[in-house]
Amino acid sequence: DSGVTQTPKHLITATGQRVTLRCSPRSGDLSVYWYQQSLDQGLQFLIQYYNGEERAKGNILERFSAQQFPDLHSELNLSSLELGDSALYFCASSVEWRGGRNTQYFGPGTRLTVL
Amino acid sequence: LAKTTQPISMDSYEGQEVNITCSHNNIATNDYITWYQQFPSQGPRFIIQGYKTKVTNEVASLFIPADRKSSTLSLPRVSLSDTAVYYCLLQSETSYDKVIFGPGTSLSVIP
Repeated sequence: DSGVTQTPKHLITATGQRVTLRCSPRSGDLSVYWYQQSLDQGLQFLIQYYNGEERAKGNILERFSAQQFPDLHSELNLSSLELGDSALYFCASSVEWRGGRNTQYFGPGTRLTVL
Repeated sequence: LAKTTQPISMDSYEGQEVNITCSHNNIATNDYITWYQQFPSQGPRFIIQGYKTKVTNEVASLFIPADRKSSTLSLPRVSLSDTAVYYCLLQSETSYDKVIFGPGTSLSVIP
C-alpha cells in the first residue's frame, strides 16, 4: 500500500459526459502528479500540482483540467468524453515539487470506460 | 523530443539474473533515471533511481554508463513474483514538464 488513495476504482460513462477523479496523496506529500495509461500510449504524464499550484503540464488535453485543494487532495476533471479517453488514470504523490530525485508513490488508479 | 525505448518482453527462469535495458539517447544533464515495477491493475511501484555509475539497493541494481545514453536494471535471482512490467522513467530536475516513461518491458518468470 503506497498510502495514495484514488476514488472511484471504476467509472463507466457515456461519450460527451463529464467525470471527476479524486486523489489523496500520502501524508506529508505536497506534490501530486496525474497520469493516463492506455494500451497504445503507455504511461503519459498529464499534469503536476504542488501545494495547490500548477507546477508542470504534460500531454493534457484542453478538455481535461485538474486542481489541488488546501487539504492537498487533487481532482482531475475530464469533460466532453470520447471513446479514446477510456484508460487507467493514476495519480502519484511526492514530497517535493522538483522531479529528478523525487520518488513518486502511485495510487491504485481509476479505470475509466467511455461507452 | 526525448524518447526512451525498452524491449517489449523478456522471459527468464526462476533463480536467474535478469537485465533490462532502457535506451535514452537524448538524455539531458539534469535528467534522473528511475525504474518502476507494475503488476496488473496496480499502480507502478518504485524500484531504484540513479544518475550515473552504479546504484544498488536491497532488491535491484542500476547500471548507468558514462555517456548516460542507456541504463540497465538488474534483478538478481528472480522469482515468479517478479513477473511484472518494468518501466524506466526519465525526469528532469529543472524542466518540470519533462516526465517521460518508457514503453515498459513485460517480464515473465518461468518456473
